[in-house]
Amino acid sequence: AQKITQTQPGMFVQEKEAVTLDCTYDTSDQSYGLFWYKQPSSGEMIFLIYQGSYDEQNATEGRYSLNFQKARKSANLVISASQLGDSAMYFCAMRETDSNYQLIWGAGTKLIIKP
Amino acid sequence: GAGVSQSPSNKVTEKGKDVELRCDPISGHTALYWYRQSLGQGLEFLIYFQGNSAPDKSGLPSDRFSAERTGGSVSTLTIQRTQQEDSAVYLCASSLVLAGGELFFGEGSRLTVL
Repeated sequence: AQKITQTQPGMFVQEKEAVTLDCTYDTSDQSYGLFWYKQPSSGEMIFLIYQGSYDEQNATEGRYSLNFQKARKSANLVISASQLGDSAMYFCAMRETDSNYQLIWGAGTKLIIKP
Repeated sequence: GAGVSQSPSNKVTEKGKDVELRCDPISGHTALYWYRQSLGQGLEFLIYFQGNSAPDKSGLPSDRFSAERTGGSVSTLTIQRTQQEDSAVYLCASSLVLAGGELFFGEGSRLTVL
């Protein structure tokens, strides 16, 4: 079974609109962390936001927020007021305590912002 | 250095040749990770190091792949007798400690096996 599922292979969004990128995960651990990374066409992986499983509040970083719904095992990324520079691949990842600390990655969502 | 540095950025080689990919992590980062990313795909975990030790080598796709880290710093990923299916971007990342915080990635080494 997939540990990290990103159901949207691609999305088109109008500039300045908000966008939600879906991520669901599967784990039996009580303690885990969830990450979102952005990969522009240049190839580097850029860390965006982190949510710990025990964090009671949703993480926020500037225009990025993480809609964490623990019971549903959902960790969607919300980008407010999208910009052309947001066009990139977006990856959701999870770190479990018994996974030798490696990150488990989703397949990614390609986001294209239209002017 | 200021960030994770990888070299070469691009490598084209012939099938059957050996290649070495180098990763220089952020100074002071004890954990180092190697990932492989095929075109349009997510990241495939290869190996991680805590210091110079690699406790889990199960992610390496075959015995043609090996990695080492010396001095708790630079790591080398070696692929022997390269095959066309080895063509991918090889990404290195480091973090301050093994189970904490974000991973900082290099820009990757793009390997093309002809």
